[in-house]
Amino acid sequence: DTGVSQNPRHKITKRGQNVTFRCDPISEHNRLYWYRQTLGQGPEFLTYFQNEAQLEKSRLLSDRFSAERPKGSFSTLEIQRTEQGDSAMYLCAGGVVRDSNTGELFFGEGSRLTVL
Amino acid sequence: RKEVEQDPGPFNVPEGATVAFNCTYSNSASQSFFWYRQDCRKEPKLLMSVYSSGNEDGRFTAQLNRASQYISLLIRDSKLSDSATYLCVVNRGNTPLVFGKGTRLSVIA
Repeated sequence: DTGVSQNPRHKITKRGQNVTFRCDPISEHNRLYWYRQTLGQGPEFLTYFQNEAQLEKSRLLSDRFSAERPKGSFSTLEIQRTEQGDSAMYLCAGGVVRDSNTGELFFGEGSRLTVL
Repeated sequence: RKEVEQDPGPFNVPEGATVAFNCTYSNSASQSFFWYRQDCRKEPKLLMSVYSSGNEDGRFTAQLNRASQYISLLIRDSKLSDSATYLCVVNRGNTPLVFGKGTRLSVIA
C-alpha cells in the first residue's frame, strides 16, 4: 500500500458529461502527479504540482481538463464535456523531490474512466 | 520518435529462464533511470533504480550505457511471480518521469 488513494475507482459516464477524480497522497508528498494510461501503453504525463503550485502541464491536457491542489494536500482532476477518447486509467502519484531530482513515485490504484 | 522506447514483447519464457529487456532513450540530458513493474490491472511500482556502474538486486540486474543511451534489465531464474509488464523510465532531473510503453513478460510453468 503506497498510501495514495484515488476515488472513484471506476466511473462510467456519457459523452458530454463532466467528471471529477480525487487523489489523496500522504502528507510527505510535496509533489503530486497526474498520469493517464490506456491499454498497452505506459503512463503518459498530464500535469504535476509542487505543494499547491501547478508547475507543468502536458500538451495532452486540453482546455477541457483542469487540475487543482488547494492547500497542497489532495488534488482533483476535472474533465469537462467528456469524449470517448478520454476513456483511460487516470493515475495519481505522490513523490518527494530530493537533491533536485525526481525520485520514486508512489502511485494510487487509479481511477478508470469509461465514456460511452 | 518516442522519448523512451522498449522491446515490444510479449516475452513468454519458461520458469527458470533468463530474460533480458532493452530500452533506449532519446534525450541525452536524461539523468535518472528506473525500472518499474506493473501487474495486470494494478498501479506501477518501482522495481529498481539504474546506476551508471550497473546494479543488482537479487535475481535482477540493471545496466546503463550513457554513450549509447541504452538501459537493460536482466532477470535470472524467472519465477511465475515475475509475470508483469516492465516499464523503462527516465527523467531529466527535476522533471516528471517519462515512461516507456512497457514490455509484457509471461513466465510459464
